[in-house]
Amino acid sequence: QKEVEQDPGPLSVPEGAIVSLNCTYSNSAFQYFMWYRQYSRKGPELLMYTYSSGNKEDGRFTAQVDKSSKYISLFIRDSQPSDSATYLCASINTGGFKTIFGAGTRLFVKA
Amino acid sequence: NAGVTQTPKFQVLKTGQSMTLQCAQDMNHEYMSWYRQDPGMGLRLIHYSVGAGITDQGEVPNGYNVSRSTTEDFPLRLLSAAPSQTSVYFCASKTGTGNEKLFFGSGTQLSVL
Repeated sequence: QKEVEQDPGPLSVPEGAIVSLNCTYSNSAFQYFMWYRQYSRKGPELLMYTYSSGNKEDGRFTAQVDKSSKYISLFIRDSQPSDSATYLCASINTGGFKTIFGAGTRLFVKA
Repeated sequence: NAGVTQTPKFQVLKTGQSMTLQCAQDMNHEYMSWYRQDPGMGLRLIHYSVGAGITDQGEVPNGYNVSRSTTEDFPLRLLSAAPSQTSVYFCASKTGTGNEKLFFGSGTQLSVL
């Protein structure tokens, strides 16, 4: 079993929809939770970053972590065609050196 | 500021050949790492380094070697390429623990025939 599980999709939504992307993790030592966005034929770029449990909002994006259920979520409001990309969740423990990634979810936002 | 630079962008090898994927960063980052990305598998950590002269294994180290003689460079060596090593390889760096943002290169697409 992978330490971070993520449904690879693909997920297709109409423009303006609310998108919910989810991951689960198994390592209780994970304290940092990240979402990376990867456009086709590019390297991943950090989108959102959360320490421990709670919510973090940045514009149309909200990252949510529930450590009690080991659940990581990313919500995208008013989705745009430019949001079409692969979204990868990732986790690492405090003082750790290994960032572990989920499989990535391929998102298509149709105009 | 170039960030993380990977070369080559594309490479085709025959089974059994060896080659080195190059990675260089100009941000004075202590930590560097190599990932491979395969469909449905996400990014899997191959090897990482926390500073010059220090390397360690990740999730999928078999068939790969690394060394870190300088802060800037972290090459990945395939000793005897196999078709199972066909993948997209990404190099990434960060300042160290406590700052968890990874900076990625643009990737090397490798095909082993």
